[in-house]
Amino acid sequence: DAGVIQSPRHEVTEMGQEVTLRCKPISGHNSLFWYRQTMMRGLELLIYFNNNVPIDDSGMPEDRFSAKMPNASFSTLKIQPSEPRDSAVYFCASSLKATGFETQYFGPGTRLLVL
Amino acid sequence: EDQVTQSPEALRLQEGESSSLNCSYTVSGLRGLFWYRQDPGKGPEFLFTLYSAGEEKEKERLKATLTKKESFLHITAPKPEDSATYLCAVRPADYNFNKFYFGSGTKLNVKP
Repeated sequence: DAGVIQSPRHEVTEMGQEVTLRCKPISGHNSLFWYRQTMMRGLELLIYFNNNVPIDDSGMPEDRFSAKMPNASFSTLKIQPSEPRDSAVYFCASSLKATGFETQYFGPGTRLLVL
Repeated sequence: EDQVTQSPEALRLQEGESSSLNCSYTVSGLRGLFWYRQDPGKGPEFLFTLYSAGEEKEKERLKATLTKKESFLHITAPKPEDSATYLCAVRPADYNFNKFYFGSGTKLNVKP
């Protein structure tokens, strides 16, 4: 199994630019999670999907952030416009949702730097 | 409010010096407690899941235990390759059961 795949692995952009992060969950998993990790705040859940449907986006910091999951094998997290305080590592994780006891498996992350 | 606290923030050990990491939690019912290991520049790697008080899990030099209010990750005779940040996460038993609440982690450094 290839595990959770994220792209790009590193992104450097200028303030005001649009940033799109991509995630491919583990095949067969039907729950997908986007997290942000910073030194100050640790790992924060931004949004999660079950069966491609957004369930809880209460962690999305502002309207500048949006996420989509058009099918079971692909999700995007978009920031528009980006700001320097968005600099962080963004992780995607996936799990099965059969019983609600399943483990989340994380991707390698996208390290975002907004100048 | 659901909360997870890990201690210490950082721990420095000599190779072979056993110790324990702590994860205390306050959630409205526990559906699971998870330990992850995170190496620099990588995503968290799953280690253990514990579901009920009294449960224990072991993997090589690591042993995780769970009580009603906290979990311990015991590291026996650690080696330099055990150096990493160890994260604890809890999954509440209420309607938010798909949400993991993470602690801030314990950064472990094992010196040869």
